[in-house]
Parts: sequence; structure tokens; C-alpha cells
Amino acid sequence: DTAVSQTPKYLVTQMGNDKSIKCEQNLGHDTMYWYKQDSKKFLKIMFSYNNKELIINETVPNRFSPKSPDKAHLNLHINSLELGDSAVYFCASSQGRYRGFGQGTRLTVV
Amino acid sequence: GQQVMQIPQYQHVQEGEDFTTYCNSSTTLSNIQWYKQRPGGHPVFLIQLVKSGEVKKQKRLTFQFGEAKKNSSLHITATQTTDVGTYFCAGHSSNTGKLIFGQGTTLQVKP
Repeated sequence: DTAVSQTPKYLVTQMGNDKSIKCEQNLGHDTMYWYKQDSKKFLKIMFSYNNKELIINETVPNRFSPKSPDKAHLNLHINSLELGDSAVYFCASSQGRYRGFGQGTRLTVV
Repeated sequence: GQQVMQIPQYQHVQEGEDFTTYCNSSTTLSNIQWYKQRPGGHPVFLIQLVKSGEVKKQKRLTFQFGEAKKNSSLHITATQTTDVGTYFCAGHSSNTGKLIFGQGTTLQVKP
């Protein structure tokens, strides 16, 4: 009964491809996020959605497009993948101050 | 922009030794949270501190929030190999409400 689940766990793809990562939370939280963790483990917020509405967009290239079909899902689509996009992407959700993270998607662009 | 700095970046200790990581914010925080990320895992929420000068304990872990609400520390007494991982602090800005993560401190424990 994973609270925040994202798929796939690993993704290896070539430069220029388009890929999507899916995220679902069963906690009933109103807010969902996407974070990028680089090789130095720095966690950087990318997007935040509250009840399907975008509330934070942290100067992420527009090749990244989040989509929230309902408040339990927040997917991330990436167009024209670049080498620098290689990282671990974490989905998270929150209600109040508590924040729960998904298990992460390790994206490798070759 | 607002920053949350965490030191040290890495720490190697012998099992049984104590460990402390420090977190400093450039601005006042409404609260501070701590997370632990095991190698290959995801950040897991440990605790939240809200009050100025607050101290909370979880078994061998002691968390403090500074009087000025701009710094915090996590102290682990008598480390064990299960303590291995990266510890992140994260503070909610009093101004913007955004949660800003520190860079993390990666702890290695030698048995």
C-alpha cells in the first residue's frame, strides 16, 4: 500500500526522445510536487500542484510539462531529452506540513 | 534568493561515535523539517520543529531549532550502521511559505 507511487523506477533513453513519468498518491493530499535530485543529491523543486492547479513552476525548461488529471495524480512529460536531464526525479505530496515522497525514477539519458 | 545551508556535506564515523549535522538559513523559518534518505532510497520525513528553541528526541536522534528560528541541528548518539544515509533539513520560509531543502549531509558509519 505505497502512499506515493511513481513509475517507472528506472528509465534509460536516448537524447532527443520524449518520455513520461507517472505519479499517484493515495493519501488524499491536496498538493503534489516534482523534485529533481542531481548526482550531488541536491533536491530541487520543479513544480507544485494544488488540487490540479499549478502553483509553483521553478524556472524549469518548457520541455518539462506536468499534467494533473485529478488531485491524486501528477505526471511529468519531458520532450527532447538532453544529457543534463539525467537525474533522479521524485514525486511528493503534502497535506499541511507533512510531505511524503515517492520512491523516485532514475532517468539516464544516453 | 533564500538559502538553506547544511554542513558538513559528508561525515565518516566509526560505529558508536556521535554525529551532528547543522542547518543554517539566510532568513527566518516558520518551521524546520528533517528527512533521511537511505542509499538508493527516497527522502523519508523524520520530524518537524516549530517553536523557537524547541528540542525533540527520537531514540538516539536529538533535533534542535534555534532561538532565532534560522538554524537547526540533528545529533545522533552512538551511531549504528543502520544510520547510514543522507540527512536533509528543509525549512518553510516565513516570507514565502516555500519549503527549501538543504544540500544534505551524507553519513557513512564504519562497523
